[in-house]
Amino acid sequence: AQSVAQPEDQVNVAEGNPLTVKCTYSVSGNPYLFWYVQYPNRGLQFLLKYITGDNLVKGSYGFEAEFNKSQTSFHLKKPSALVSDSALYFCAVRDIAGGSYIPTFGRGTSLIVHP
Amino acid sequence: SQTIHQWPATLVQPVGSPLSLECTVEGTSNPNLYWYRQAAGRGLQLLFYSVGIGQISSEVPQNLSASRPQDRQFILSSKKLLLSDSGFYLCAWSPILFAGSNNEQFFGPGTRLTVL
Repeated sequence: AQSVAQPEDQVNVAEGNPLTVKCTYSVSGNPYLFWYVQYPNRGLQFLLKYITGDNLVKGSYGFEAEFNKSQTSFHLKKPSALVSDSALYFCAVRDIAGGSYIPTFGRGTSLIVHP
Repeated sequence: SQTIHQWPATLVQPVGSPLSLECTVEGTSNPNLYWYRQAAGRGLQLLFYSVGIGQISSEVPQNLSASRPQDRQFILSSKKLLLSDSGFYLCAWSPILFAGSNNEQFFGPGTRLTVL
């Protein structure tokens, strides 16, 4: 079975400060992990994914995520937040060894960047 | 490049009326197709997915149905809408998934459905 948790409903950060959006997962094997962003009344956009290899994954718009197998986490980060980063962020996981080929999404975290 | 279209963008329907939402994908062949519902701007609920023409898997029993009459067309339907069917409906596609695939999904712009 596969599951993913985003423990924070909302994250607030000041523009120019670093941001972190948390994600933890549970799988029986090894995971594929994804981050998506959703702007109001829009579809989700893919940001980045972890497959294998380097634990630090770089993606679109200056975002990156760090895979930590011991903590079963895949937190999304950005060194300097922009007001335009304000959006809803979703983490998703697929268990490579699992029976489902479809990823499971977290509930989403609302990121608010204050000017 | 691949694109995904959904229509209509917004829809207001009375309770008990029928529903038809359409999704089409361009620039790829034999995609996996998905319908999700998002309530109150939060989590995604997978409703249906399809791995090929005429092949539909339902994830949640409800009064909605899905059909895939053509390779790149996915339709979400209902014979009689309920108030609880209100939400933001998202169509998505991915390259075909198999045990080792790591493909991400690509989402359409969504349809905002309000049932009154």
